Amino acid sequence: GAGVSQSPRYKVAKRGQDVALRCDPISGHVSLFWYQQALGQGPEFLTYFQNEAQLDKSGLPSDRFFAERPEGSVSTLKIQRTQQEDSAVYLCASRGGGPYEQYFGPGTRLTVT
Amino acid sequence: AQRVTQPEKLLSVFKGAPVELKCNYSYSGSPELFWYVQYSRQRLQLLLRHISRESIKGFTADLNKGETSFHLKKPFAQEEDSAMYYCALAPRAGTALIFGKGTTLSVSS
Repeated sequence: GAGVSQSPRYKVAKRGQDVALRCDPISGHVSLFWYQQALGQGPEFLTYFQNEAQLDKSGLPSDRFFAERPEGSVSTLKIQRTQQEDSAVYLCASRGGGPYEQYFGPGTRLTVT
Repeated sequence: AQRVTQPEKLLSVFKGAPVELKCNYSYSGSPELFWYVQYSRQRLQLLLRHISRESIKGFTADLNKGETSFHLKKPFAQEEDSAMYYCALAPRAGTALIFGKGTTLSVSS
C-alpha cells in the first residue's frame, strides 16, 4: 500500500513569503506528527494530531507556524512570513491506533533565501 | 529535561568488523526506545524498538536502565549497513519521538 506522502518535495521561498506544506498520511492512520529537521540535526517535534484534533503544538517555534488537519486525514503545515532560520526538512509521520511505529514521509526540503 | 545523546557523528568501520553505535538518554521514567535508520535517498524507517527484543538485519539493542543507554550493535558489519542511524525516545507509548542528532555509519571493504 501507499506510504506517507508529502508535497512539495522541495520548496524555495523568499524571506517573508508564506508557504504551505502538505502531508497525506497512510489511510486510516489516526495519529499524525510533524517534525522539523535542520541540517546536521535529528528531527524535532513540532505538533501532533489525533484525527482532526491538534493535541500538542508545544514544538511549534513561533506563532508564524500553523498546522491543521480539518477532516482527520490530510494535514497542512503553514509557515507565514518565512525566515532564513525556517530552512529545514519538514517531516510528516503517521501512526495507526495503538502503540505502533511511526511511518515517515520523504520530507519537504524548505529553503528560505 | 528529556534528551537523547549520540556522541559519535561518524563511525567508520571495515566490512566484517563489529559495530556499536552509542545512545544515551535522559528521562525520569520508563520511556520507549527506538533506533531509526535512513539509507541514502530513502525515508526514515524504524529499525528496532526495545520492547520487541528482536534482531533486525543482524542488529540488536539492549536497554540498560542503570546506565540509561540503548546502544545498537552488530557483530559483523556489511557494506549495505552504511546509513544514518538515529536513536529516539518516546516518553509514553504512542507519543512524539525525541531524536538524537544521528550517527553516520560508513562500512567499507
